[in-house]
Amino acid sequence: EAGVTQFPSHSVIEKGQTVTLRCDPISGHDNLYWYRRVMGKEIKFLLHFVKESKQDESGMPNNRFLAERTGGTYSTLKVQPAELEDSGVYFCASSPGSTADTQYFGPGTRLTVL
Amino acid sequence: GNSVTQMEGPVTLSEEAFLTINCTYTATGYPSLFWYVQYPGEGLQLLLKATKADDKGSNKGFEATYRKETTSFHLEKGSVQVSDSAVYFCALSPFSGGYNKLIFGAGTRLAVHP
Repeated sequence: EAGVTQFPSHSVIEKGQTVTLRCDPISGHDNLYWYRRVMGKEIKFLLHFVKESKQDESGMPNNRFLAERTGGTYSTLKVQPAELEDSGVYFCASSPGSTADTQYFGPGTRLTVL
Repeated sequence: GNSVTQMEGPVTLSEEAFLTINCTYTATGYPSLFWYVQYPGEGLQLLLKATKADDKGSNKGFEATYRKETTSFHLEKGSVQVSDSAVYFCALSPFSGGYNKLIFGAGTRLAVHP
């Protein structure tokens, strides 16, 4: 069974540019989460999808961040325009359903904003 | 609110030494507790978990016991190996069972030398 995959693995962009991160969850997993780790600090929750619906987006830092999950499969996280403080590692995770609380993580996308 | 505090690293040990990484938490209700590990160049992997008080999670020689009276979930291993070098994250899920966000500590880097 394929794990959670994320693309790209690394992205380096200039301040003010746009970047789109992609996450493909484990097949059949309804729950999809985005997290990020900034400057070696704790990993912080961004948002949670159940299928294509946003269940909880309380961790999204501001309206420069837009997450979508078309058709309840893969998800994208777009940052527009990117700022220096957006640099960090963005993780995606998925889990099967409401009775399972183990989340399976992808390798992360390292974003550097110059 | 919910939060996790874990000991700062890095922790440097010689092979076969005893390992303890402290983790304490603050939570309302009855959270599930987790240890995740991130090996160099890889994503987060679930190492072990405990879903109720006095449960002991164990995997790959690592153990942690859910202590409600001290609000702790310390990670231990009797004899570390070089291959255990990684970053270890303590985390909680606010509700036992069900799908919801994980709240992480800042991570503790472990370096094991031959």
